[in-house]
Amino acid sequence: AQSVTQLDSHVSVSEGTPVLLRCNYSSSYSPSLFWYVQHPNKGLQLLLKYTSAATLVKGINGFEAEFKKSETSFHLTKPSAHMSDAAEYFCVASPQGAQKLVFGQGTRLTINP
Amino acid sequence: DVKVTQSSRYLVKRTGEKVFLECVQDMDHENMFWYRQDPGLGLRLIYFSYDVKMKEKGDIPEGYSVSREKKERFSLILESASTNQTSMYLCASRLFSGGSYNEQFFGPGTRLTVL
Repeated sequence: AQSVTQLDSHVSVSEGTPVLLRCNYSSSYSPSLFWYVQHPNKGLQLLLKYTSAATLVKGINGFEAEFKKSETSFHLTKPSAHMSDAAEYFCVASPQGAQKLVFGQGTRLTINP
Repeated sequence: DVKVTQSSRYLVKRTGEKVFLECVQDMDHENMFWYRQDPGLGLRLIYFSYDVKMKEKGDIPEGYSVSREKKERFSLILESASTNQTSMYLCASRLFSGGSYNEQFFGPGTRLTVL
């Protein structure tokens, strides 16, 4: 069965420093992969998605993610954190042929001034 | 832009009440979903619907039912609310064609408190 593991439940960085949120998936074939962001008391907003085209995917708000099949990873990065990036981030997989998504447990990102 | 709306942002109900959570999407999506979100448990799928009048149980359907009479509207029903159903409820929709490449679009959520 497909699973998604977010390796850190909480990440804390200083404003202006790089952000790395780690995600690994397990599958016998490459799924579509997504990163969503959720600000407090809000719904989930799509940051970016991988759909088997380019392995480096650029998203909104300066985020990007790289799909590495050999490592079954899809880590989310941003060169310089901003206070407004403080939120919960979810890595999500969409197995081929399935209508349901598989969610990671989420990573809470805190930005220190 | 796809818009998914939920009937209430905050809701307080009493134990035993019948509760209706409504979700409407405006992009003619075939698939619609109901999740609940709890601290430490992430998002868990309650029910989803892949077409009008079609539904399928998710991972935690107990205590819930759903209704989809029109394509744009997907309702979640708590037949007899209990305190352990206090949670954040999120609705989502998704275009079916294109398969796994399509993302889900989420509503703003309903925070339900059952007293």
